[in-house]
Amino acid sequence: DAKTTQPPSMDCAEGRAANLPCNHSTISGNEYVYWYRQIHSQGPQYIIHGLKNNETNEMASLIITEDRKSSTLILPHATLRDTAVYYCIVRANFGNEKLTFGTGTRLTIIP
Amino acid sequence: DSGVTQTPKHLITATGQRVTLRCSPRSGDLSVYWYQQSLDQGLQFLIHYYNGEERAKGNILERFSAQQFPDLHSELNLSSLELGDSALYFCASSIRTGMNTEAFFGQGTRLTVV
Repeated sequence: DAKTTQPPSMDCAEGRAANLPCNHSTISGNEYVYWYRQIHSQGPQYIIHGLKNNETNEMASLIITEDRKSSTLILPHATLRDTAVYYCIVRANFGNEKLTFGTGTRLTIIP
Repeated sequence: DSGVTQTPKHLITATGQRVTLRCSPRSGDLSVYWYQQSLDQGLQFLIHYYNGEERAKGNILERFSAQQFPDLHSELNLSSLELGDSALYFCASSIRTGMNTEAFFGQGTRLTVV
């Protein structure tokens, strides 16, 4: 699996957009970018994933650069409940479906 | 609620003992994954089952074993427990194997070995 690099921590003001970056410069052409988050010690929660096009769902938007070497997760209007560790994961193609979690970014939403 | 159910939520046991953790995947999901999360190791992949068959193994100790039953629920068996086995154990499920399938996690079992 391609390795990912994320900042260890970030702060964001409540109500503002939280932009979480991720570098995955060794990503292969058929590998997807997944984002999960873990609130305190709860089970990781799926947020969004994409291959090369930008994606949006009810939780977040995912912007992937044209060269696919980096991506940004955007939480458009952060709330205190978005305080969590966010994991950017690049998932290998067939034959290896495990999710390899790194250390993630600890996002703190400031009131 | 992810739809993945793990039991028990908490478990305290002594060193040398054996425990069984149970996971019920989301309805219709054929794949089950087990992860271990300890303070100093982060989330570590243990093992993956698909429709009753083992598909992939991570850094799972020989003292640990798992299986997936015909009704698709899975059990993780931990034996000869050591203090270092204290951790959160998560189960995740997805509808199928292959890329482009998100996995949904249960709330975990917190194992404390004393």
